[in-house]
Amino acid sequence: KNQVEQSPQSLIILEGKNCTLQCNYTVSPFSNLRWYKQDTGRGPVSLTIMTFSENTKSNGRYTATLDADTKQSSLHITASQLSDSASYICVVSYSSASKIIFGSGTRLSIRP
Amino acid sequence: DVKVTQSSRYLVKRTGEKVFLECVQDMDHENMFWYRQDPGLGLRLIYFSYDVKMKEKGDIPEGYSVSREKKERFSLILESASTNQTSMYLCASKRRDRENQPQHFGDGTRLSIL
Repeated sequence: KNQVEQSPQSLIILEGKNCTLQCNYTVSPFSNLRWYKQDTGRGPVSLTIMTFSENTKSNGRYTATLDADTKQSSLHITASQLSDSASYICVVSYSSASKIIFGSGTRLSIRP
Repeated sequence: DVKVTQSSRYLVKRTGEKVFLECVQDMDHENMFWYRQDPGLGLRLIYFSYDVKMKEKGDIPEGYSVSREKKERFSLILESASTNQTSMYLCASKRRDRENQPQHFGDGTRLSIL
């Protein structure tokens, strides 16, 4: 069964600290994996996309990794800011990118 | 910047009513999507459209229909609203010929069915 699982469901950290969010998937054939950020009351916005051949990609303080062998991805946030408080959603495309599955997201709260 | 606009941020309707949710995008995208988002569940695809007057069922089409009479506008219709359709509804659009381009989302309509 094609699935995308994210952990943890929720996370609270202090401003300035780092954190890592996890995404495990079981889809075939894999096409790409994208991380979205969804602020409260807003639609998701793409942060980064990883294709099969990419291991690491950065977007400012956000760094995504992909291990295609173990079917795992992580999103690392460095030096967190209050504006990082949001839900982070992992989305996996498969079957020549014609199909996608959304994870249920990790809700991140940054405390001052 | 791509802009996807959903007509209502909040909507309250009664059971049995016919409900229309409207979505407009300004980037001439061929593909448009309707999702619902519920706590603890990922976004689930209701319907999508890859061209004017074309539509495809997603994972949870029961109780919904759609209309795409113009390229920029995609409407979601709840034929007879029920309480289990209380949810956040998100519209998205995407250019068809660029597989690695993201979907662009509207800010959602929070629909309550009483």
